[in-house]
Amino acid sequence: DAKTTQPNSMESNEEEPVHLPCNHSTISGTDYIHWYRQLPSQGPEYVIHGLTSNVNNRMASLAIAEDRKSSTLILHRATLRDAAVYYCIGTSYGKLTFGQGTILTVHP
Amino acid sequence: DVKVTQSSRYLVKRTGEKVFLECVQDMDHENMFWYRQDPGLGLRLIYFSYDVKMKEKGDIPEGYSVSREKKERFSLILESASTNQTSMYLCASSSSRGLAGGRGTDTQYFGPGTRLTVL
Repeated sequence: DAKTTQPNSMESNEEEPVHLPCNHSTISGTDYIHWYRQLPSQGPEYVIHGLTSNVNNRMASLAIAEDRKSSTLILHRATLRDAAVYYCIGTSYGKLTFGQGTILTVHP
Repeated sequence: DVKVTQSSRYLVKRTGEKVFLECVQDMDHENMFWYRQDPGLGLRLIYFSYDVKMKEKGDIPEGYSVSREKKERFSLILESASTNQTSMYLCASSSSRGLAGGRGTDTQYFGPGTRLTVL
């Protein structure tokens, strides 16, 4: 699995976009980039994943750099319910290795 | 919606007791996982299973065993609980075939967790 590096914490205001960065310079060509988040007192939940192309779903967008050494999770309009720990994971065989993640604080 | 349930949200046991943590998923998933989560250490994989009666060690299997007799149920067993096993335990499931030898990207669905305290 690829080693990933994320900032320890980020802050945002409600209704503003949030860009959560992730570096994965050792990622292999077959590793998918997954994002999960963990709300307080809950288990992690899937957010989005991608391989090479940018991806969108109802929760977020994932922008993957052309060299695949980094990616950015984009929350288009942060809400208070988006306050969570966000994990970026690179893997290709169904196993997830969680790092420390980024603690996102959303201010009203 | 996928549902992963864990037998207890909170559990308190004494040192030396045998502890069973149960996990059930209702989506006919092939794969099931047990993690523990500790402050500063994140989530760490204890064991996983990609089929009934199959099990594989994760990153920290010492002190734990598992059982998967039915597809929907995956049990984590602490044969003799110790205080350093006080932790949050999370179960997950996925339908990815990657663990059985191919590549897979399928989502893992997590349960709410069991906070175990060993006194």
